[in-house]
Amino acid sequence: GAVVSQHPSRVICKSGTSVKIECRSLDFQATTMFWYRQFPKQSLMLMATSNEGSKATYEQGVEKDKFLINHASLTLSTLTVTSAHPEDSSFYICSARDPATSGNTIYFGEGSWLTVV
Amino acid sequence: SQELEQSPQSLIVQEGKNLTINCTSSKTLYGLYWYKQKYGEGLIFLMMLQKGGEEKSHEKITAKLDEKKQQSSLHITASQPSHAGIYLCGADMGFNAGGTSYGKLTFGQGTILTVHP
Repeated sequence: GAVVSQHPSRVICKSGTSVKIECRSLDFQATTMFWYRQFPKQSLMLMATSNEGSKATYEQGVEKDKFLINHASLTLSTLTVTSAHPEDSSFYICSARDPATSGNTIYFGEGSWLTVV
Repeated sequence: SQELEQSPQSLIVQEGKNLTINCTSSKTLYGLYWYKQKYGEGLIFLMMLQKGGEEKSHEKITAKLDEKKQQSSLHITASQPSHAGIYLCGADMGFNAGGTSYGKLTFGQGTILTVHP
């Protein structure tokens, strides 16, 4: 079964509103989680590193005020897309490393489709 | 920055045929992950390779990392329609002093595999 879970899997929101996506590690604690964005027929692009108890680290070109990340517990990170616009419509996916696995296996969530209308 | 090049970009095979997908890095690989993705869904972890010359197998899928740790291949034997999907290789972007992965990956552009029954 899934070890990293995202919610919601699909969300539609109106332009100008904010939407929150949750990423949970189910069987392990993750001090660090990662958020990626995937455009249609393209690969994953790392957006930011979510750090439990501290500020997220954003990749170059990613607006931190638009994509708010909160990692309030060792099993939950949230990505909030603020003042969403149609160009924010995309597939967002998170990952976490399970330190208990051999080789530090990195697991991904099921992804969340965001459509801004 | 590390760049991964996957080839081929797409592949169409008849059921029962063997196939190979390659992943070449511009820098030495310290952790190479293979994932499978159905479009619009999460990434399914396949295998992780770290050591030069390492080879791992799971069911009909074998992944290898070359001795120089700059190239990896994924080989599927006797392909089935269930193997269809997008195959992504991801390179670990670094380890801390203790040898623990940060968990942050950079991805190749993906290989779209179609298996005709």
